[in-house]
Amino acid sequence: EAGVAQSPRYKIIEKRQSVAFWCNPISGHATLYWYQQILGQGPKLLIQFQNNGVVDDSQLPKDRFSAERLKGVDSTLKIQPAKLEDSAVYLCASSITSYNEQFFGPGTRLTVL
Amino acid sequence: AQSVTQLDSQVPVFEEAPVELRCNYSSSVSVYLFWYVQYPNQGLQLLLKYLSGSTLVKGINGFEAEFNKSQTSFHLRKPSVHISDTAEYFCAVSGGSSNTGKLIFGQGTTLQVKP
Repeated sequence: EAGVAQSPRYKIIEKRQSVAFWCNPISGHATLYWYQQILGQGPKLLIQFQNNGVVDDSQLPKDRFSAERLKGVDSTLKIQPAKLEDSAVYLCASSITSYNEQFFGPGTRLTVL
Repeated sequence: AQSVTQLDSQVPVFEEAPVELRCNYSSSVSVYLFWYVQYPNQGLQLLLKYLSGSTLVKGINGFEAEFNKSQTSFHLRKPSVHISDTAEYFCAVSGGSSNTGKLIFGQGTTLQVKP
């Protein structure tokens, strides 16, 4: 069974530029999560989707971050414009439902210069 | 609000020695507890979870954890570590009154196994 796929694996941009990350969850998983992991910290939930609807985006900085999950499968997370403090690993996870085990992708490491 | 505290940021240990990674949580309602491992440049992998029932939970790679409700702890243990156990370990909690399944993570503990 294929795992959660993410791309790109690494991205370096300058501040004020835009960037987008892509996530393909495990087939059949209805719930998709985006976490932000700053160096030296545990992951923090940014947004949670159930199919293509948003369940929780309370910690998403909506002035610069946006996310969508069209057709309830793939998802993209965008940052526009990026700030230095956005440097982090962005992890995507999926689960069959929100009450099942979450499976994590390898993450995208973003460096903002 | 729920929170998780991992009491040690780094734990150095020699190979074949026992290890304990400590985790305390804060919640006013019943929760589910998890331990994840993260190897360099990889995502998180579930080691074990406590949902209900027996307070001693066994996971993969010889790890186990004990849920202690009175002390609000969920410490991770392994009787004999290997070099390959060197990684970052995260304790996490989910559940509570507005259970959406989201995980709240601790800050992580770096386990360094020395030969």
